[in-house]
Amino acid sequence: SQQGEEDPQALSIQEGENATMNCSYKTSINNLQWYRQNSGRGLVHLILIRSNEREKHSGRLRVTLDTSKKSSSLLITASRAADTASYFCATLGKTSYDKVIFGPGTSLSVIP
Amino acid sequence: DARVTQTPRHKVTEMGQEVTMRCQPILGHNTVFWYRQTMMQGLELLAYFRNRAPLDDSGMPKDRFSAEMPDATLATLKIQPSEPRDSAVYFCASGFGQGLYQPQHFGDGTRLSIL
Repeated sequence: SQQGEEDPQALSIQEGENATMNCSYKTSINNLQWYRQNSGRGLVHLILIRSNEREKHSGRLRVTLDTSKKSSSLLITASRAADTASYFCATLGKTSYDKVIFGPGTSLSVIP
Repeated sequence: DARVTQTPRHKVTEMGQEVTMRCQPILGHNTVFWYRQTMMQGLELLAYFRNRAPLDDSGMPKDRFSAEMPDATLATLKIQPSEPRDSAVYFCASGFGQGLYQPQHFGDGTRLSIL
């Protein structure tokens, strides 16, 4: 079964608005990562947040992690048309047997 | 910028043919991953290597898929014989250190169509 589930599945906003995507997971994690995928391209790593961290920033990106709720959110501020892409969360469990598991993704469209 | 290079970018072939996909990881990276992406299943991990040794290939259909790292600069994923249900985009990714605990760097994929 999938570890991470993004919400919403699709999001359409106007340029300049903020975009928020959520990721929920089922079991305890070592870390959670967010990736972006442009159409026809590979995934690009955005941010990694460890289980003992609550918030991280990178430019216009802000990621929060709430381990009590088993959820994370990715906020993109002042969105641009170039932010149009699919966004995936990926989780790594705590045991040595765990692998990184990607969620199904959120498709973000930023309308100029 | 250093990049993961995958070849070919596109492959169309008939059912039953052998397919070989190649990946050149980023120089210095010691962990290599193979993923398959489809609309229905999303991104699935097929196999991964650390220091050229296979650590996990449980996601791979063993009867027809095989993954190898002949050397540190080349990883291969083979399908023999190929079937229409193998049609997907196959991604290679590389990483450094403990691999799973670090960001992965993806290539742009091989889009495979089996007729």
